[in-house]
Amino acid sequence: DVKVTQSSRYLVKRTGEKVFLECVQDMDHENMFWYRQDPGLGLRLIYFSYDVKMKEKGDIPEGYSVSREKKERFSLILESASTNQTSMYLCASRMTGTGSNQPQHFGDGTRLSIL
Amino acid sequence: GNSVTQMEGPVTLSEEAFLTINCTYTATGYPSLFWYVQYPGEGLQLLLKATKADDKGSNKGFEATYRKETTSFHLEKGSVQVSDSAVYFCALSRPGSARQLTFGSGTQLTVLP
Repeated sequence: DVKVTQSSRYLVKRTGEKVFLECVQDMDHENMFWYRQDPGLGLRLIYFSYDVKMKEKGDIPEGYSVSREKKERFSLILESASTNQTSMYLCASRMTGTGSNQPQHFGDGTRLSIL
Repeated sequence: GNSVTQMEGPVTLSEEAFLTINCTYTATGYPSLFWYVQYPGEGLQLLLKATKADDKGSNKGFEATYRKETTSFHLEKGSVQVSDSAVYFCALSRPGSARQLTFGSGTQLTVLP
């Protein structure tokens, strides 16, 4: 089974801090994703990476950056945390395949609170 | 653009009732369609998928059929259990950008004993 591991289940930080959320997958997947999940809004894509050192902006990249130095690890960075970034953050990975039918596999999420 | 519209929740059913959660989509081309489930305190798990028109995805008693003519992918189960209580998300993979998924807003299901 695919295992996607997020480093923290719960995290509390202060406004203005630099915050790192880490995600590791063990299936040699090329593609990795960061989403945030908010009530009534579903999942919104922040950034994704289709291979090592590659990154692309998703739908809501403002206030975030990412790093993918190794294939198995994808980090989300909040450069200067703000209260509107309080949310559940979900990491996912996916194998590259023909067509669009490869599913994404998700971690358990990090619930981040910015005070 | 691409979008997914899901039935508003929450949905509350008694055990052994029939479940339908509606999902319709807007997309250019031929997306793949997915249902994901999120149990309390966990991440999303793939429940089922369909990759072309008239395909039926099925898993754990849940089914959904890819209907291109009505741009729908409704989730059904004949007899729900308390353990099915979760949030269900419909999603499509974006044609031309196969790596990305567009999600609906999710439907909370509660099954009472």
